[in-house]
Amino acid sequence: GENVEQHPSTLSVQEGDSAVIKCTYSDSASNYFPWYKQELGKRPQLIIDIRSNVGEKKDQRIAVTLNKTAKHFSLHITETQPEDSAVYFCAASYNNNDMRFGAGTRLTVKP
Amino acid sequence: DTGVSQNPRHKITKRGQNVTFRCDPISEHNRLYWYRQTLGQGPEFLTYFQNEAQLEKSRLLSDRFSAERPKGSFSTLEIQRTEQGDSAMYLCASTRRDGYTFGSGTRLTVV
Repeated sequence: GENVEQHPSTLSVQEGDSAVIKCTYSDSASNYFPWYKQELGKRPQLIIDIRSNVGEKKDQRIAVTLNKTAKHFSLHITETQPEDSAVYFCAASYNNNDMRFGAGTRLTVKP
Repeated sequence: DTGVSQNPRHKITKRGQNVTFRCDPISEHNRLYWYRQTLGQGPEFLTYFQNEAQLEKSRLLSDRFSAERPKGSFSTLEIQRTEQGDSAMYLCASTRRDGYTFGSGTRLTVV
């Protein structure tokens, strides 16, 4: 089955700086890669996703890149704000089935 | 229909007792997933349904766990003879196409 690894486990940045979170996956058949944000005590919420037929996707301050050959994908947050502080999870699946999640990255944005 | 609903929000039970959780997905979502999340970890896949059919069950799931989705709408997750190691947040998610919508979860504490 799919195995997703995520790094770093914690990340602290100054407000305004960029943050990058990286994930690797094991199953070359995986073709759908979403990212979720989970604030303390709340449910995970989808913030951006990418399919294997594209290499990059951007939505305002958030972007995701995918390297299918290396089986790597990354989340980039620019101009970070204190409200970006949360735990971020990457995930991988084939056609949005049976999603497997990384262990999470706790991002802290210091004002 | 504002989202995925889970009940109860919290459950405290004595070791050895049985517990049942309920999930009401978004009505037009045909796929429903159960995940378990412990502190500092990503959601761990338990099982999923397409309509009323249970299509996959994690090998990590012991025989004490069972899930149903009898009419392809709401789902229940039952844990028999609970153990302290079952203490976790149990998350339900549903989807039709892209991304999962999570419920707020049921936090189980086994004492």
